[in-house]
Amino acid sequence: SQQGEEDPQALSIQEGENATMNCSYKTSINNLQWYRQNSGRGLVHLILIRSNEREKHSGRLRVTLDTSKKSSSLLITASRAADTASYFCATDLDSSYKLIFGSGTRLLVRP
Amino acid sequence: DAMVIQNPRYQVTQFGKPVTLSCSQTLNHNVMYWYQQKSSQAPKLLFHYYDKDFNNEADTPDNFQSRRPNTSFCFLDIRSPGLGDAAMYLCATSRWQEETQYFGPGTRLLVL
Repeated sequence: SQQGEEDPQALSIQEGENATMNCSYKTSINNLQWYRQNSGRGLVHLILIRSNEREKHSGRLRVTLDTSKKSSSLLITASRAADTASYFCATDLDSSYKLIFGSGTRLLVRP
Repeated sequence: DAMVIQNPRYQVTQFGKPVTLSCSQTLNHNVMYWYQQKSSQAPKLLFHYYDKDFNNEADTPDNFQSRRPNTSFCFLDIRSPGLGDAAMYLCATSRWQEETQYFGPGTRLLVL
């Protein structure tokens, strides 16, 4: 079953602009992660935010978590063409350490 | 560099012909996962191993089997591939009770 839904499904921006992706989930979580997937490749872990955290930063990435709304957002600032990829949120299921992935956002950064 | 390796990167098989995909890791992680990812969809967990303890997801078809002969290697066997099994198969690893998973590059399976 799919835990998360992501919005938008696709996003096209100009290099230098900021990109914001949103993730909503259904059940309570211990943490939420964001992964990036370049076309035809495996996933790369970007950032993890725990349920007792509201905001986290890593380089040009900013993640927020609102457990009351069961939603998270990923902001990529000053985007680059190399940021072109699909971005997935993932939540743990029943504290099992198994990940349930959202539907993903396809980001295109135009040079 | 420590990593997760998948071979082959591309696999073509015939309808009904058994196929095996392989995954190896140099991270010495005790948990290994197999995911199926169809085009433009989210990765879907098929099963995972904690050491040699096998854990199947409830909705994983019986057509899919797995073997883990040692810590480093894990195999995905598809006994009788159907057209609907064409997908990217992703292997991932993690340390037990750690949330972050490390993915291989995937094997893209085509069923003719």
